[in-house]
Amino acid sequence: AQKVTQAQTEISVVEKEDVTLDCVYETRDTTYYLFWYKQPPSGELVFLIRRNSFDEQNEISGRYSWNFQKSTSSFNFTITASQVVDSAVYFCALTLNNAGNMLTFGGGTRLMVKP
Amino acid sequence: NAGVMQNPRHLVRRRGQEARLRCSPMKGHSHVYWYRQLPEEGLKFMVYLQKENIIDESGMPKERFSAEFPKEGPSILRIQQVVRGDSAAYFCASSLTGGISGYTFGSGTRLTVV
Repeated sequence: AQKVTQAQTEISVVEKEDVTLDCVYETRDTTYYLFWYKQPPSGELVFLIRRNSFDEQNEISGRYSWNFQKSTSSFNFTITASQVVDSAVYFCALTLNNAGNMLTFGGGTRLMVKP
Repeated sequence: NAGVMQNPRHLVRRRGQEARLRCSPMKGHSHVYWYRQLPEEGLKFMVYLQKENIIDESGMPKERFSAEFPKEGPSILRIQQVVRGDSAAYFCASSLTGGISGYTFGSGTRLTVV
């Protein structure tokens, strides 16, 4: 069975601070995909990134960056120079590489960015 | 190119009533997944359907909940005799082949049971 743990339930930062959201996963499969989603106060799920297990390169997209480390089963997400609009709940998720892919979600991290 | 459409966005039901949630997948997608998000929690898988077939319902509560995806029309998640504990956000996702390709979530339906 798969498991995703987001140990930080809530983080509060002041605008312009950098913040890292942790994600640790468990799976016995060697082929899998990892995701990050943002859920703003309006409630929808906003896709941020998908990474497969064979691609350990870190990724940067604007102020967002992701650090994937198979050795520690972690897929952490960093927001640089945070902004108030980044305030949301962020979910990390895992799925296996087979048909009928269901996503296993972590419990989410609520990020509050104060002006 | 419409995404995954869920309606209604908000649904209020009294205890004991039935709730019907609809999900129209992206054009060309024939695989649908339903997830439930209880307050302050992450999403939990409920059921996976292809057209006219339930493939995996391992996450569905044993009673009162059912899902269908007919040959024509949207997928329906049906909750009979709703209770307060059913209050949650219900999300639908669709994919092209059942795999990762094009896996897309709808905006969700927020069910409130009063």
